[in-house]
Amino acid sequence: QKEVEQDPGPLSVPEGAIVSLNCTYSNSAFQYFMWYRQYSRKGPELLMYTYSSGNKEDGRFTAQVDKSSKYISLFIRDSQPSDSATYLCAMSPNAGGTSYGKLTFGQGTILTVHP
Amino acid sequence: NAGVTQTPKFQVLKTGQSMTLQCAQDMNHNSMYWYRQDPGMGLRLIYYSASEGTTDKGEVPNGYNVSRLNKREFSLRLESAAPSQTSVYFCASSKGLDRTQETQYFGPGTRLLVL
Repeated sequence: QKEVEQDPGPLSVPEGAIVSLNCTYSNSAFQYFMWYRQYSRKGPELLMYTYSSGNKEDGRFTAQVDKSSKYISLFIRDSQPSDSATYLCAMSPNAGGTSYGKLTFGQGTILTVHP
Repeated sequence: NAGVTQTPKFQVLKTGQSMTLQCAQDMNHNSMYWYRQDPGMGLRLIYYSASEGTTDKGEVPNGYNVSRLNKREFSLRLESAAPSQTSVYFCASSKGLDRTQETQYFGPGTRLLVL
């Protein structure tokens, strides 16, 4: 079983829809949770990050972490065609030690927002 | 400020050939990483360098070697390429100092095809 599971989709939604992307994980040591966005034939870029449990909002994007359920989500409101990309969740345990700086990624979800 | 650059962008090799993938960053980052990305597998860490002068194995190091040439440059070498190494390779870097969040910045990737 992979440490981080992410539904690869693909997910296709109409413009303006609310999108929900999710990851589950098994390693209870994960403390830092990130979402990366990757456009076609480009490198991933950091979209959002949260530390431990809770919500974080940035414009149309909201990241949620539920450590008790080992479940994280990314919500995109009023989705736009420019949001079409692959979204990767990534996680890291507490900073320090041999795991310092190392990220574990989900498989990525391919999202298409059509006009 | 170019960020993370990678060369070449695309390469075709025959089984058994060797090659070196080059990566450079101009953000004065301490830590650098090499990942491979395969369909349905997400990003998997091959090797990383927490700081100049150190390198460590990641999740999938077999068949690869790395060199941290200086603070800016981190190269990945395939000594005897195999078809299983057909993938997209990403280099990334991070500050390596801020233990509260390790944002990794990715290069554009190198697409490698081994025949």
